[in-house]
Amino acid sequence: GQSLEQPSEVTAVEGAIVQINCTYQTSGFYGLSWYQQHDGGAPTFLSYNALDGLEETGRFSSFLSRSDSYGYLLLQELQMKDSASYFCAVSDNYGQNFVFGPGTRLSVLP
Amino acid sequence: NAGVTQTPKFRVLKTGQSMTLLCAQDMNHEYMYWYRQDPGMGLRLIHYSVGEGTTAKGEVPDGYNVSRLKKQNFLLGLESAAPSQTSVYFCASSYSTGGFAYGYTFGSGTRLTVV
Repeated sequence: GQSLEQPSEVTAVEGAIVQINCTYQTSGFYGLSWYQQHDGGAPTFLSYNALDGLEETGRFSSFLSRSDSYGYLLLQELQMKDSASYFCAVSDNYGQNFVFGPGTRLSVLP
Repeated sequence: NAGVTQTPKFRVLKTGQSMTLLCAQDMNHEYMYWYRQDPGMGLRLIHYSVGEGTTAKGEVPDGYNVSRLKKQNFLLGLESAAPSQTSVYFCASSYSTGGFAYGYTFGSGTRLTVV
């Protein structure tokens, strides 16, 4: 079977750093992606990790440990506009499609 | 570039009616997907396509059919709509590297209500 776990909610204040964890159990693994979705909007692509380690893109970083079946998204210098749902997604099935986690709702407080 | 365009954006159907959701992408992506998202939940894969003329079933394919006659278009059909198909439907596309999907570009979604 396939399963991904994320915390359901995270709250932080403006300017802080927050980490959103994702653990997965899938039949195959070809990569881990993160997406941001604002209420009423479409998911937008943030990052992709195929190999172990940290990938940095501006204020956002994503980490992967394949041996631990674990990854996280790190958001720095939080802004109010970062309030959204964040989904991790694992690529299995020979890398042809992604399975999504249940999502983490991030609330950024002033 | 328009990216991924979905039509219609909203639709209300009566139980038993049929409809087709249209998805078009202008990024020359090989892979295309249909997901559904129910309130407060993640996205579940309905069907996908890795190239023109090919389709495959995802996690929740029952009650849906798809076609990919042209590379840029991916159609999702509901033959006999049921209230359980009330959802937001997202189309996505991805380029592939060595046969692996990289990251999705999503359309803006179709909000479907079946009464």
